[in-house]
Amino acid sequence: NAGVMQNPRHLVRRRGQEARLRCSPMKGHSHVYWYRQLPEEGLKFMVYLQKENIIDESGMPKERFSAEFPKEGPSILRIQQVVRGDSAAYFCASSPTSISMNTEAFFGQGTRLTVV
Amino acid sequence: GENVEQHPSTLSVQEGDSAVIKCTYSDSASNYFPWYKQELGKRPQLIIDIRSNVGEKKDQRIAVTLNKTAKHFSLHITETQPEDSAVYFCAAREGGGNKLTFGTGTQLKVEL
Repeated sequence: NAGVMQNPRHLVRRRGQEARLRCSPMKGHSHVYWYRQLPEEGLKFMVYLQKENIIDESGMPKERFSAEFPKEGPSILRIQQVVRGDSAAYFCASSPTSISMNTEAFFGQGTRLTVV
Repeated sequence: GENVEQHPSTLSVQEGDSAVIKCTYSDSASNYFPWYKQELGKRPQLIIDIRSNVGEKKDQRIAVTLNKTAKHFSLHITETQPEDSAVYFCAAREGGGNKLTFGTGTQLKVEL
């Protein structure tokens, strides 16, 4: 089992460009969570998705950010018109069932986004 | 929503000493409390967790205690080693919810 795979590991974008971050959950996992980590800070919840559904997006900024988890393929976190404040590490986690059922969530290695 | 506070933000101990990190949470309905270790540039990894029906859990040199009445939980590392140096995050999950709310982290440094 390869674990949660995120790519790219590092992404540099100019202000105004789009950033696409990908997350392939562990085999057999259908629940995906995205977290953002600013330098010297903890992990902030952004969004929780199941296959083809957004379950909880209470942590997502209202504008420019979107997420999807299609029936086939990885989950995508998309940031449009990036600004310098978007620079952070973005972590994806997956679990086989909802973690409300006491199941551990496994994290990927993260994507470090730098906006220049 | 849930709010998790974590102290201290940095902690230096001598090798072999014990380290204690404390967290408080605000939502009395929270029922799951994991601890993650994150080494520089790496992913957070679960090291131990505790559920609200248990007061204490131990795994070799690591233990976690939970006081539901006071709404705080602590991580205890005994006989610390240099490889324990990392950032440690506590988290709490709201009862019936799906998202983990994390503390701001503790940078632990174990000195030789």
